[in-house]
Amino acid sequence: GAGVSQSPSNKVTEKGKDVELRCDPISGHTALYWYRQSLGQGLEFLIYFQGNSAPDKSGLPSDRFSAERTGGSVSTLTIQRTQQEDSAVYLCASSSSFHSPLHFGNGTRLTVT
Amino acid sequence: QKEVEQDPGPLSVPEGAIVSLNCTYSNSAFQYFMWYRQYSRKGPELLMYTYSSGNKEDGRFTAQVDKSSKYISLFIRDSQPSDSATYLCAIRAGANNLFFGTGTRLTVIP
Repeated sequence: GAGVSQSPSNKVTEKGKDVELRCDPISGHTALYWYRQSLGQGLEFLIYFQGNSAPDKSGLPSDRFSAERTGGSVSTLTIQRTQQEDSAVYLCASSSSFHSPLHFGNGTRLTVT
Repeated sequence: QKEVEQDPGPLSVPEGAIVSLNCTYSNSAFQYFMWYRQYSRKGPELLMYTYSSGNKEDGRFTAQVDKSSKYISLFIRDSQPSDSATYLCAIRAGANNLFFGTGTRLTVIP
């Protein structure tokens, strides 16, 4: 694909349910990032994948959040037992190298009711 | 102290005006500088990328980096209503050593 693809674009879920968010990075990009953006707030780093290395999970806000990246390509961010404070836009980005810019998808807008 | 500081605005200008957006940063190790534009309900879109001091121009946009002052700017000439968006600066020193400003919301009034 031409850019980073995220699905679904919108997700409404009930408090306590689990959700999975998907990211398909730009082909050939080895680095993949997940960020969270709350209304009127800046970008909050969640997790970073680089090739086959162990991911940097230092930004995950709680153990309800997890992510995996299969085959060095597609990534899934999972939020278990969702809470209302998890409502935000979840953005995925990819990059071809450590000195290249990040390219973002359009995000998944998560609403927890 | 935050790694990067950006005036949140909002900034409102008449069509045709020159817009100046600015960020300051604290760590001289930062080497790569980016500006993103984000429309409502969209992801950030890369506008400019530079890694040296001085100016880089692309159409109506000019990115300026002053490493000695740890200061970066984005200038928009002949601003258009379609430029109305939130602008984010981003600064990078390595693989996962990057930081984003909180964004400046710009409105260009026809």
